[in-house]
This record gives sequence, structure tokens and C-alpha cells, in this order.
Amino acid sequence: KAGVTQTPRYLIKTRGQQVTLSCSPISGHRSVSWYQQTPGQGLQFLFEYFSETQRNKGNFPGRFSGRQFSNSRSEMNVSTLELGDSALYLCASSFGGGGTEAFFGQGTRLTVV
Amino acid sequence: QQQVKQSPQSLIVQKGGISIINCAYENTAFDYFPWYQQFPGKGPALLIAIRPDVSEKKEGRFTISFNKSAKQFSLHIMDSQPGDSATYFCAASKGSSYKLIFGSGTRLLVRP
Repeated sequence: KAGVTQTPRYLIKTRGQQVTLSCSPISGHRSVSWYQQTPGQGLQFLFEYFSETQRNKGNFPGRFSGRQFSNSRSEMNVSTLELGDSALYLCASSFGGGGTEAFFGQGTRLTVV
Repeated sequence: QQQVKQSPQSLIVQKGGISIINCAYENTAFDYFPWYQQFPGKGPALLIAIRPDVSEKKEGRFTISFNKSAKQFSLHIMDSQPGDSATYFCAASKGSSYKLIFGSGTRLLVRP
């Protein structure tokens, strides 16, 4: 069974640009969550999608957005990139949402210069 | 109230020893407590998880102890091995939404 796939693995962007990250969950999983990991702030929840609906959102500015498609694949978009957006962005998938096992992808390393 | 506090920040253990990592939470609505292991360059991998109605759960060399009244839970790694050297995160969530609140992480080094 394939794991969670995130693409691309690495990205370098310039301040002010926008970026789209992709996440393909484990087959059959309907919940996809996104997290930002930085040395200073640790792992922080961005948002969660379940059956194409955003079910929960963390405390991030509106520049961070996401969506989920009917096949459960999810994308995350960050507009007007700032240096502080440099981080490892992780996607996690689970079968039914809260209280069920969540499996993480390897992440997308975003560097903003 | 949403925080999960994790300690210690780093831990050095000799091979064969017991590694103990502690977490504390405030929100009594949390009802799911997983532990994750992360190696450099990789995403976190689920190790073991527990719910508040159970005081202890063991899987192989990994044990979670849960103290509901104290709002604390801990990870014990028995017979620690150099391959266990990684960063460990505790987390908590509540209800049907998968919003995991993570602890700050513990960097474990197991010396041969």
C-alpha cells in the first residue's frame, strides 16, 4: 500500500511569489491535514480537509489556503511568500478523521529567498 | 489551554537503557494522544497512541503511560537502541477533527 506522497520534495521561491504544494493521501483515506514545521515554532496545524470540506483551520494568515479534490488529493497554496514561510510542510492522511491513525508524508521543504 | 508541554528537550541514554519522555496538557477535551518519531529528512511516523480510558498501552519496546487526573502522559522506550536516535513528538487531539496539537519535541540520542 503506497504511503502519503508529497510533491515536490524541495522548492526555492522568491519573496512575493506564490507556491502550490500537492499531497496524495493513502488510498481510501478521506482526511488530509497540513502542518508547518520550523525549528522555532515546531509542528503547527494549518488546516484539515475531509471529503472536500475544510473542517478545521489553524492560526495562520489568509495567505495560506488549501483545497481537496474528489479523489481526496489535496493542494496547499501560499501567496505573497515571506522569508518566514521557509519551512517543512507536511501532509497527513487518515481514514476517518479525529482519533484515527494519521500518516505523514516526507514533506515539502520550502525555502523563500 | 491548547498547548501540550513536552520534556525534556533532549535526552542521552546508553544502549540498553530506558528512555522516558513526558508530556502534559491542559485541555480535558483532548481524547486521543499519539506519539510520533521523526528522523532527519523524514516526516513523523506514528509510534503508538492511547485514549484516556486506558492507563497504559504497550507495543514492543514502546509503552505509553497515561495519568488522566494529572493530565500527563509519557513514552517509555525499553532497551533503547542506537537506531532509536530520533526526535520524538507527543500530540493530542479532540473530537472528530484531526487537528493535532504537538509538543515541542525531544531529541533522543542513544549511545552505543
